[in-house]
Amino acid sequence: DIQMTQSPSTLSASVGDRVTITCRASQSISSWLAWYQQKPGKAPNLLIYEASISESGVPSRFSGSGSGTEFTLTISSLQPDDFATYYCQQYNSYPYTFGQGTNLEIK
Amino acid sequence: QVQLVESGGGVVQPGGSLRLSCTASGFIFLNYGMHWVRQAPGKGLEWVAFIRFDGSNKYYADSVKGRFTISRDNSKNILYLQMNSLSAEDTGIYYCAKNGHLGDYFDYWGQGTLFTVSS
Repeated sequence: DIQMTQSPSTLSASVGDRVTITCRASQSISSWLAWYQQKPGKAPNLLIYEASISESGVPSRFSGSGSGTEFTLTISSLQPDDFATYYCQQYNSYPYTFGQGTNLEIK
Repeated sequence: QVQLVESGGGVVQPGGSLRLSCTASGFIFLNYGMHWVRQAPGKGLEWVAFIRFDGSNKYYADSVKGRFTISRDNSKNILYLQMNSLSAEDTGIYYCAKNGHLGDYFDYWGQGTLFTVSS
């Protein structure tokens, strides 16, 4: 199985900050990576797919990059609504796997 | 608009069985693969199972293989998850999710249904 490792597990930041979350795969997954945002008590919401393609309706401050085994999600200027947990997910091969999550909290 | 509504959660005893349903609307259900994803209380997301648009292929996480069965009824726009031999480790919120247009990511999710395995 492909292991997905996110870092950091917790990130404290302020409104207006630029933040980056990293996701590493245990083997190459090409660009078959998605990013999700989840708020407490809610279902996850798709942000990015194929490593760098933004889902329709996602604010432009969210961007993704990377290929192979290393990927990043960047939020260019944090807004109050962005404090949530973020997950990466590989869909290169079964079983599909998620990272353990990054909890983005207010500093 | 796309809607996915899960049902069937509750409390079940260890070793018991349960069937979850997910009723889909707002898109052409028979054109898309569908997934189940779960989340244990306070934990991260775990992909559980996938079924192709026509039901021809099914894939499972190792943790549920042989115990869970994913199926669909394209005439009723319903996705199912039959769960047998349940243990406490299966407790959590179960989400159904629609396959993306361009790959096996999850572009729409239901609100989730919670079930607890407890004696």
